[in-house]
Amino acid sequence: SQQGEEDPQALSIQEGENATMNCSYKTSINNLQWYRQNSGRGLVHLILIRSNEREKHSGRLRVTLDTSKKSSSLLITASRAADTASYFCATDEVGDTGRRALTFGSGTRLQVQP
Amino acid sequence: SQTIHQWPATLVQPVGSPLSLECTVEGTSNPNLYWYRQAAGRGLQLLFYSVGIGQISSEVPQNLSASRPQDRQFILSSKKLLLSDSGFYLCAWSVGSSSGNTIYFGEGSWLTVV
Repeated sequence: SQQGEEDPQALSIQEGENATMNCSYKTSINNLQWYRQNSGRGLVHLILIRSNEREKHSGRLRVTLDTSKKSSSLLITASRAADTASYFCATDEVGDTGRRALTFGSGTRLQVQP
Repeated sequence: SQTIHQWPATLVQPVGSPLSLECTVEGTSNPNLYWYRQAAGRGLQLLFYSVGIGQISSEVPQNLSASRPQDRQFILSSKKLLLSDSGFYLCAWSVGSSSGNTIYFGEGSWLTVV
């Protein structure tokens, strides 16, 4: 079953605006990662945030993690048309080390209008 | 640098025919290897993962199978395809014993079963 669930499922904004995507999960995690997927392509890792971190930045990306609410958000600032893609959160569940695999959510489709 | 190759990129197969998707990783040793499936507009479903040669873990019951004949080769197979096997198949790799390591994806294989 899917651990992470992204919200919204789809988001359309104008170039220059900020885009915020949310992810909720159900079990305790070691870390949470965000990935990007261009249409019909493989996924690309964007950023990882550990369970003891609350916020992390990478360029125009800002990720927050609230373990008490079991949720994370991905903020893309000053969006560009090239940011158009699907964005997925993926969780590494506590006690699941034997599995060595992440559980992905269903993704948010972001459309940035030029 | 590490690279991952996955082929074929697209294929159309009749119901009941066999399937073989291949994936190889270069530039790393003893990677963890994964096969994910993505239905149209949906998230990723983990099908199989492997932590070493001959070691395959299956996530969901299905008519697919996986094999790892060499350290950096991962093969997804089926003896008889079903219509429901249609989808986008992604091979991926990671290194290390932690389940929270970054996963690197191939470009995917589009399978249409007709």
